Amino acid sequence: DAEITQSPRHKITETGRQVTLACHQTWNHNNMFWYRQDLGHGLRLIHYSYGVHDTNKGEVSDGYSVSRSNTEDLPLTLESAASSQTSVYFCASSEKADRSGELFFGEGSRLTVL
Amino acid sequence: AQTVTQSQPEMSVQEAETVTLSCTYDTSENNYYLFWYKQPPSRQMILVIRQEAYKQQNATENRFSVNFQKAAKSFSLKISDSQLGDTAMYFCAFMKHWPSNFGNEKLTFGTGTRLTIIP
Repeated sequence: DAEITQSPRHKITETGRQVTLACHQTWNHNNMFWYRQDLGHGLRLIHYSYGVHDTNKGEVSDGYSVSRSNTEDLPLTLESAASSQTSVYFCASSEKADRSGELFFGEGSRLTVL
Repeated sequence: AQTVTQSQPEMSVQEAETVTLSCTYDTSENNYYLFWYKQPPSRQMILVIRQEAYKQQNATENRFSVNFQKAAKSFSLKISDSQLGDTAMYFCAFMKHWPSNFGNEKLTFGTGTRLTIIP
């Protein structure tokens, strides 16, 4: 079955370190998204991509970057981790041809920055 | 920009009862999609129900139905005959409708309502 997987599921790091969260989907979806989930804020969009070599900033993109070198993967990088980036991160994908907007989510990556 | 508001951070209801979760939104768009997503304790989020704004009929999926009031910008979710497996966080979400949303299929989420079904 097609799926979307995130790794690592849990990560503890120190302030200032670079961290990369992986996201891999096997649906061959064009659209991929990264959200962070924080209490009282719901899900907020960090970055998104509509296809290979396309990346766009979301509403909370400062301190994060993404790259899209193939259809399956959209890794999220924290260049210099900060305590404010402690959160649960969700990757999602959708098919561009389907205008109904259904997202398929990964299981999340819990990141703690000490 | 669109905003989505869920004013009920937490709710609880007895098993088999009916519960309604509220959602309001603000937009200048005329055509759009609205969604309810469910996030069970295992954390993977799944789509519960979807409503297209240009359709007057309220969407229904088995025990889940919505009350869509376009003029009031309200989109509530009703869960009938609630079950223990309905315990989860529920998120309301908004998306602009194609073609004005061409290449822009990103969702705006509310802050969520934590629903607990009591045995």
